[in-house]
Amino acid sequence: QVQLVQSGAEVKKPGASVKVSCKASGYTFTDYYIHWVRQAPGQGLQWMAWINPNSDGTNYAQKFQGRVTMTRDTSISTAYMELSRLRSDDTAVYHCVREYYDVLTGYYMFDYWGQGTLVTVSS
Amino acid sequence: SSELAQDPAVSVALGQTVRITCQGDSLRNYYTSWFQQKPGRAPVLVIYGSNNRPSGIPDRFSGSSSGDTASLTITGAQAEDEADYYCNSRDSSGNRLGNVFGTGTKVTVL
Repeated sequence: QVQLVQSGAEVKKPGASVKVSCKASGYTFTDYYIHWVRQAPGQGLQWMAWINPNSDGTNYAQKFQGRVTMTRDTSISTAYMELSRLRSDDTAVYHCVREYYDVLTGYYMFDYWGQGTLVTVSS
Repeated sequence: SSELAQDPAVSVALGQTVRITCQGDSLRNYYTSWFQQKPGRAPVLVIYGSNNRPSGIPDRFSGSSSGDTASLTITGAQAEDEADYYCNSRDSSGNRLGNVFGTGTKVTVL
């Protein structure tokens, strides 16, 4: 069965960086994009970025450009999200999400979500 | 980046029908997905391609879209449908195709 398993919770000081991992299993890692979505406490969902594990292509939301980096290691089917220059308002649960895309219909869907990683930024 | 606007909260009597709307320019060009999220849980996809249900999602959930507005309808709401609901679509406002979520709607079942 498809699973996305993320690394554990992190506590960081303002100005530091955090790197969250997302290990995929149950499917061919390079066949599906991986997105990152975050949710601050009591707030809504916020799309951050995607990575194409096959080509290593990426796209970042304008809000995070210059601070976020998506990478992947295809040998271990793992995607990474690194966020730098952390601020207190980066405190959130970060999810990796698989995108399924049907080339025939043009339908896409976020069909599998990681369990989420809580990143707390506090001095 | 694009924005998708949703009403913050709606309520529905048990067994009645509720419609949640999502409005934004990106909806004119791209399909809408809808997610249900319960406290402390990851979101669950309930509608994709604007009006398609994934397997396992009850048929009381339906979706529609016209122009810049998409809707999620719950027909015969159940107590377990009480949750936050988010719309989602592609976003072409940047250099490459991205993604955007709506602001979210809290559904209360009375």
